[in-house]
Amino acid sequence: GESVGLHLPTLSVQEGDNSIINCAYSNSASDYFIWYKQESGKGPQFIIDIRSNMDKRQGQRVTVLLNKTVKHLSLQIAATQPGDSAVYFCAETTGNQFYFGTGTSLTVIP
Amino acid sequence: EAGVTQFPSHSVIEKGQTVTLRCDPISGHDNLYWYRRVMGKEIKFLLHFVKESKQDESGMPNNRFLAERTGGTYSTLKVQPAELEDSGVYFCASSQVWGTTDTQYFGPGTRLTVL
Repeated sequence: GESVGLHLPTLSVQEGDNSIINCAYSNSASDYFIWYKQESGKGPQFIIDIRSNMDKRQGQRVTVLLNKTVKHLSLQIAATQPGDSAVYFCAETTGNQFYFGTGTSLTVIP
Repeated sequence: EAGVTQFPSHSVIEKGQTVTLRCDPISGHDNLYWYRRVMGKEIKFLLHFVKESKQDESGMPNNRFLAERTGGTYSTLKVQPAELEDSGVYFCASSQVWGTTDTQYFGPGTRLTVL
């Protein structure tokens, strides 16, 4: 089966600092990856995606890095704000189903 | 535009009872997905509808789970009879285009507790 996991289940950062959330995946055939943010009481919300033919993609305050050699995905959040506090999930797919990680809980300390 | 909605938001039932969860996708989205997250674990795929047809139901745990999408609009997920291990948060998502590379919009989830 698939194995998509996160290195750290919880992460606390000071407001204004940068956050890095990591994710490991096991299927080298996965060609599409997504980061989702889940706030309390809500469903996962799309943040940013990346295809396997890229190694970096930037959005607004977020950057996703993909290292296919070591099958590692990371989400960087610049100038972390209190509103960034949430659980972050990575997901991978080969084109059929999505496989999600267990999630990392990010807490921003004011 | 309304997002994906799910009902109920919470359900507490006893082992052996039946529960039916409902999902209303975004209007015009042909693709509807059900997922489940058991406490502290990953979000797991259950099944995928394209309109009223089951495209992929490989993630359904067992035959106690029945999903329907009559008319290709809203979907229901029935658990009968419920077991303790069925507890978790059930998410529904929808997307416009067929294919997992299209953005899936998630509902808020239904938290199911089986006692």
